[in-house]
Amino acid sequence: AAGVIQSPRHLIKEKRETATLKCYPIPRHDTVYWYQQGPGQDPQFLISFYEKMQSDKGSIPDRFSAQQFSDYHSELNMSSLELGDSALYFCASSSIGTASGEQYFGPGTRLTVT
Amino acid sequence: DQQVKQNSPSLSVQEGRISILNCDYTNSMFDYFLWYKKYPAEGPTFLISISSIKDKNEDGRFTVFLNKSAKHLSLHIVPSQPGDSAVYFCAASPTQGGSEKLVFGKGTKLTVNP
Repeated sequence: AAGVIQSPRHLIKEKRETATLKCYPIPRHDTVYWYQQGPGQDPQFLISFYEKMQSDKGSIPDRFSAQQFSDYHSELNMSSLELGDSALYFCASSSIGTASGEQYFGPGTRLTVT
Repeated sequence: DQQVKQNSPSLSVQEGRISILNCDYTNSMFDYFLWYKKYPAEGPTFLISISSIKDKNEDGRFTVFLNKSAKHLSLHIVPSQPGDSAVYFCAASPTQGGSEKLVFGKGTKLTVNP
């Protein structure tokens, strides 16, 4: 079965640079979520989109922005990168129409800011 | 403030025995609970979930118990297998089937010894 696809898998950037992370949800899933997991930490919710509209917002810095496109893929744009942005970034998708509603996670993008 | 707590950072059991992973939550608005398993360099994989209207859900070797009055849930794995060795995250959501974010615990690293 198709899973959530994230690209790139690894990214190395310098401070003050920008980065764009991409997420392709499972086909027919209409909701996309972004989570950030720091070293030894739990995944922290950043932002979510349902049917291309922002549905919820968590602890996402103002330097970050995201959107969901007409094909349901999503991009997380990160500017003025800081050392503390180094983390694993997970995208998850779900279908609001299913009763179970569990979120399915991609393999993550490991961002390293030097 | 950690709304979902996994107080045991690690657990070690023998192959064939039972593994019991515990999770406590503080937010009484949580209505839906999930367990995810995570291997290194991979995204969290959905294992099993339970709605607050139930007190038990079973899927093969995995059973989740919910004690809503105590705001406590546990995941039982019987019998444990070496392939079960991973980090297990407890997660909670205010609703089932919607587009709500998940709130995660910090995870418990399970090691199943042959």
